[in-house]
Amino acid sequence: GDSVTQMEGPVTLSEEAFLTINCTYTATGYPSLFWYVQYPGEGLQLLLKATKADDKGSNKGFEATYRKETTSFHLEKGSVQVSDSAVYFCALKGSSASKIIFGSGTRLSIRP
Amino acid sequence: DVKVTQSSRYLVKRTGEKVFLECVQDMDHENMFWYRQDPGLGLRLIYFSYDVKMKEKGDIPEGYSVSREKKERFSLILESASTNQTSMYLCASSLNNGGARGTQYFGPGTRLLVL
Repeated sequence: GDSVTQMEGPVTLSEEAFLTINCTYTATGYPSLFWYVQYPGEGLQLLLKATKADDKGSNKGFEATYRKETTSFHLEKGSVQVSDSAVYFCALKGSSASKIIFGSGTRLSIRP
Repeated sequence: DVKVTQSSRYLVKRTGEKVFLECVQDMDHENMFWYRQDPGLGLRLIYFSYDVKMKEKGDIPEGYSVSREKKERFSLILESASTNQTSMYLCASSLNNGGARGTQYFGPGTRLLVL
């Protein structure tokens, strides 16, 4: 069945560092891919998404490119801020499915 | 903007009590979902509904039931709460479309403690 694997955390970086959180997936067909973010004490918010190969989703300085050849959707940001501290979830949705498959989440902590 | 609201942010209940968690969305979405989130286990789907009065079991339905009498409201019911149901409960909704149009939108969560 469909699945998502993302790098385990926690990830701790200094402010202004470059961020990469790896995400790979297994799916039949052409799924849509998502990154969600969960700030402390809150629900999940959609951060960005991509619907087809080579699409790049971007939001708030974060980017991720849908790579079908490597079945990956890695999240990147060039210069992180303390306010980016949160848990990040990679997710996929099949083209005909209603359910979303979530990765296990990666906790990110940014030091001032 | 899509808004998904949940009836309580924090809830404390006793073992054996019947517990209702309510979720309301204001975007006329067909699909609604209930998840629980536990440290180290990520999000696990409990139940979902794709239409009024319709429901389907998710990955961990045992000990839970749901009700969807109106399109905008999806209730999660713990018939007899147990301590292992202490968790963060997240509600979500989405349009009934394939691809990214079926993006799920989440409520703020209800943190439930069962004593």
